[in-house]
Amino acid sequence: TQLLEQSPQFLSIQEGENLTVYCNSSSVFSSLQWYRQEPGEGPVLLVTVVTGGEVKKLKRLTFQFGDARKDSSLHITAAQPGDTGLYLCAGGGADGLTFGKGTHLIIQP
Amino acid sequence: NAGVTQTPKFQVLKTGQSMTLQCAQDMNHEYMSWYRQDPGMGLRLIHYSVGAGITDQGEVPNGYNVSRSTTEDFPLRLLSAAPSQTSVYFCASSLVLARSGGGELFFGEGSRLTVL
Repeated sequence: TQLLEQSPQFLSIQEGENLTVYCNSSSVFSSLQWYRQEPGEGPVLLVTVVTGGEVKKLKRLTFQFGDARKDSSLHITAAQPGDTGLYLCAGGGADGLTFGKGTHLIIQP
Repeated sequence: NAGVTQTPKFQVLKTGQSMTLQCAQDMNHEYMSWYRQDPGMGLRLIHYSVGAGITDQGEVPNGYNVSRSTTEDFPLRLLSAAPSQTSVYFCASSLVLARSGGGELFFGEGSRLTVL
């Protein structure tokens, strides 16, 4: 079983601050995805990265896939209360997606 | 588009009872899957299907059965509910198995199950 470790598990910061969350594994993944989940809803895809070293930007969110395709990071610039949620990374595998346990992010006004 | 629809949204069972969680998608996706989400455990794959008539086990299949008679529907059956099956269950579908290239998973809103 390929494991994905996410850190930190919980993060609470003030509006306007920057933050980075991490997703690490000892295994190589063919692709890695980031999802965001709000309370009472299912996760929603933010981005997919496929190539080692790839960087993708989605407005204030920057996603990076490690050169060795074992890790990824999500950086949020000038966080806003609307960014609050559970952020999940997921790696592509033989059966489907393997998910990390997630980072609970709270942005306080 | 309805996307992925799960029913019921909430259910309380007694130990030993059986029930079926329904999942339907209207996107003509071949791949469908069931996950359970528990605090501190993340999302864990229970069963999945790559097409009608084909099902396979995921990481935590014990205590659950599935079938895929049509492309649209993928019900999850609990034959004899146990308190350890108290969880939030998510059905998800995608156009392709996320083996490589990253097929996007579309999730339902979840079914919260409590087993007493």
